[in-house]
Amino acid sequence: DAGVTQSPTHLIKTRGQQVTLRCSPKSGHDTVSWYQQALGQGPQFIFQYYEEEERQRGNFPDRVSGHQFPNYSSELNVNALLLGDSALYLCASSLEGDNSPLHFGNGTRLTVT
Amino acid sequence: AQKVTQAQTEISVVEKEDVTLDCVYETRDTTYYLFWYKQPPSGELVFLIRRNSFDEQNEISGRYSWNFQKSTSSFNFTITASQVVDSAVYFCALSLEGETSGSRLTFGEGTQLTVNP
Repeated sequence: DAGVTQSPTHLIKTRGQQVTLRCSPKSGHDTVSWYQQALGQGPQFIFQYYEEEERQRGNFPDRVSGHQFPNYSSELNVNALLLGDSALYLCASSLEGDNSPLHFGNGTRLTVT
Repeated sequence: AQKVTQAQTEISVVEKEDVTLDCVYETRDTTYYLFWYKQPPSGELVFLIRRNSFDEQNEISGRYSWNFQKSTSSFNFTITASQVVDSAVYFCALSLEGETSGSRLTFGEGTQLTVNP
């Protein structure tokens, strides 16, 4: 039973570039949430996707966007990268209506130079 | 707005010592969930426990125990007879009821626990 998988594991980009991160939820899960974790800090909620729509959003600018596909996998896109976007990006999945806790992936470490 | 405070940034203990990680939360809501997660160097957040605001019973799971006190808005985590494998960053988190599956978590800053042999 595969857990939450994220790709790539590490990524280095230059300021101003655009990046796409990918997430496959745990088998049987239909809801995907994304978190940003800066070094030495706790994760910050970015947004949640369910039925291919963004259902909740944290305090992030519009240049951070996402998408969910019919197979429940998800992408996170960041445009016009800033140095401050350097962080670990965590994907978590869950099943709508099921009261079980989130399952997290290992994250994508993004470095912006 | 919700807030979670973990005042201990780093804790270092020797194996077999007991250690308590503190967590204080703020919310105006009366119904909420509290969590503890463990983050090893691999980066994955590992779920340890969830408590709802109406359940103040303390819980014990093996060497782990949790003390929830609404009167002081605290949800502390104790590891008994610590082991080197317990070394990790531990996060306390809060979510409000209605935020499906507790997916919108507010995390504390984390406590880096190092258990030395």
